[in-house]
Amino acid sequence: AQRVTQPEKLLSVFKGAPVELKCNYSYSGSPELFWYVQYSRQRLQLLLRHISRESIKGFTADLNKGETSFHLKKPFAQEEDSAMYYCAIKYNFNKFYFGSGTKLNVKP
Amino acid sequence: DAGITQSPRHKVTETGTPVTLRCHQTENHRYMYWYRQDPGHGLRLIHYSYGVKDTDKGEVSDGYSVSRSKTEDFLLTLESATSSQTSVYFCAISESTSTSGTGELFFGEGSRLTVL
Repeated sequence: AQRVTQPEKLLSVFKGAPVELKCNYSYSGSPELFWYVQYSRQRLQLLLRHISRESIKGFTADLNKGETSFHLKKPFAQEEDSAMYYCAIKYNFNKFYFGSGTKLNVKP
Repeated sequence: DAGITQSPRHKVTETGTPVTLRCHQTENHRYMYWYRQDPGHGLRLIHYSYGVKDTDKGEVSDGYSVSRSKTEDFLLTLESATSSQTSVYFCAISESTSTSGTGELFFGEGSRLTVL
């Protein structure tokens, strides 16, 4: 069963344009959701988590339980945002499941 | 970076040979994970451990086994490697939010395995 769905494999936008990376999840309980990012030649790292309700590097993500979504948004994309983005959900017993990832390409 | 090291970082092997990847942590975190990363599939959980000698299967555990004899080491073994196991393997660690942890995953740098 697909626990996390990221429908876009590749998203290309111009610098300064808004960006939204979609994430939908399947979970009957109270989910904990995360966005991880992998910049070129760097480790996967946490970008943000829904329980913190914070903005990191201008990115925000709101958990919508009605739509079972956790989309990642940024109003003005920068070239340094180009990376691979993964949505993840933490299940019972601390198991983390990831989506298939979205490659964001921000063009100059 | 969290204290996680993976070895080897790169390996080329032949079909049918055994392969062991090692993950070593210095953070004393309870949970350890092995993922594989493949284009179009993202990160898929292979096995994970919730304590010494305590392990459980993930999404794609067939063909893989793991062992955790001490807190700091989590080994992933391919008993008889196949070409479909060519991938980048990531180790990760976590501490649950019920303790003092933040609940997030910290990743190693990855091990690239090629099975010819």
